Amino acid sequence: GAGVSQTPSNKVTEKGKYVELRCDPISGHTALYWYRQSLGQGPEFLIYFQGTGAADDSGLPNDRFFAVRPEGSVSTLKIQRTERGDSAVYLCASSLAHGELFFGEGSRLTVL
Amino acid sequence: GDSVTQMEGPVTLSEEAFLTINCTYTATGYPSLFWYVQYPGEGLQLLLKATKADDKGSNKGFEATYRKETTSFHLEKGSVQVSDSAVYFCALSEYRSFGNEKLTFGTGTRLTIIP
Repeated sequence: GAGVSQTPSNKVTEKGKYVELRCDPISGHTALYWYRQSLGQGPEFLIYFQGTGAADDSGLPNDRFFAVRPEGSVSTLKIQRTERGDSAVYLCASSLAHGELFFGEGSRLTVL
Repeated sequence: GDSVTQMEGPVTLSEEAFLTINCTYTATGYPSLFWYVQYPGEGLQLLLKATKADDKGSNKGFEATYRKETTSFHLEKGSVQVSDSAVYFCALSEYRSFGNEKLTFGTGTRLTIIP
């Protein structure tokens, strides 16, 4: 597709379970970002990839959160031992090396 | 650290009314400033931006001027339409490393325009 694609669009899980969220960026975009948006808040930065490497992971809240981008395209955000406080919309964005960010529609995670 | 404070919503206006959504920021350096819009069922989209003091960003009839002296970037439109109903986010970005457009967002303002 032409835009950033995120799957699943909705995920409901139980406390303590493992979750993976996928982001398929715009073809040719080398930069990829993950943000988290809690209810009533603006998006908060989690991690930034330039190519395959995580150039800035300063926004990851703790070591239960991890993200990979092994081939410099698709990225997966992984959350271990989910907690109710992890419930949020997880947004992915991509861009050329230095330019406008294009956002996906997000993956809504609900932890029961 | 960096922060963005924007006018709390929701804001409800009649069609053709004048719109202002206030945004102020705190930053250690000289950030770039942005307004993003999220229409129902869609992802965040860049509406406009300004990269230095006194720059004016504009798009789709919306304008915002980068005011360094008041650390503000207020969004304005002279005559709103029903199709402008959306959530608007003010954001800033400070240069950290090449290509890292790490954004700090405000909490968003929900705008509803009634015919």
